[in-house]
Amino acid sequence: GESVGLHLPTLSVQEGDNSIINCAYSNSASDYFIWYKQESGKGPQFIIDIRSNMDKRQGQRVTVLLNKTVKHLSLQIAATQPGDSAVYFCAEILTGGGNKLTFGTGTQLKVEL
Amino acid sequence: EPEVTQTPSHQVTQMGQEVILRCVPISNHLYFYWYRQILGQKVEFLVSFYNNEISEKSEIFDDQFSVERPDGSNFTLKIRSTKLEDSAMYFCASIKRDRGQVGYGYTFGSGTRLTVV
Repeated sequence: GESVGLHLPTLSVQEGDNSIINCAYSNSASDYFIWYKQESGKGPQFIIDIRSNMDKRQGQRVTVLLNKTVKHLSLQIAATQPGDSAVYFCAEILTGGGNKLTFGTGTQLKVEL
Repeated sequence: EPEVTQTPSHQVTQMGQEVILRCVPISNHLYFYWYRQILGQKVEFLVSFYNNEISEKSEIFDDQFSVERPDGSNFTLKIRSTKLEDSAMYFCASIKRDRGQVGYGYTFGSGTRLTVV
């Protein structure tokens, strides 16, 4: 069936480096994508979102890129900090699906000092 | 900043017992959701609720599950007869869904950890 998946289960980066977390989605009907950060024992925390009619969106230290041609989504974190260590999920909203989110499997980001 | 509030944070129950998980969505939001996350796995959709009725539910949301918005502020998830495999984190979420907005304002609560023994 349709699914959202992440390429890398674990990503280790040095503090101060940039991080790139990738996501592949398969449903071309999805019109909205969100990146969430989840720390241990907590709920998903909104990071940044992007509509399917956009290619790029920037926030504070984060950028989301959407490539609809290859159905690929990425999250770039600039100057990664220890507080960025968490699991990152991409999620898509399926058109006509009552706005439910379909989550990917998650990528563990580890920031090394 | 507005929050989605969930109680309790942790619930331990015996197999076969009924549990009610409670949520207070953000006050001006219109759509309400329950998701669950089994330890180490991804977050899974359970049910969406709009205009005082279920708008969509997943295969997980069988007859043992029900949702209710009893008083215009609370949003509850009831599991009638819990099973061991119901042990998970349960997250409530809500969105405003205004047309023309870029975002959905999809906000999650901090979750209830349900442990069935």
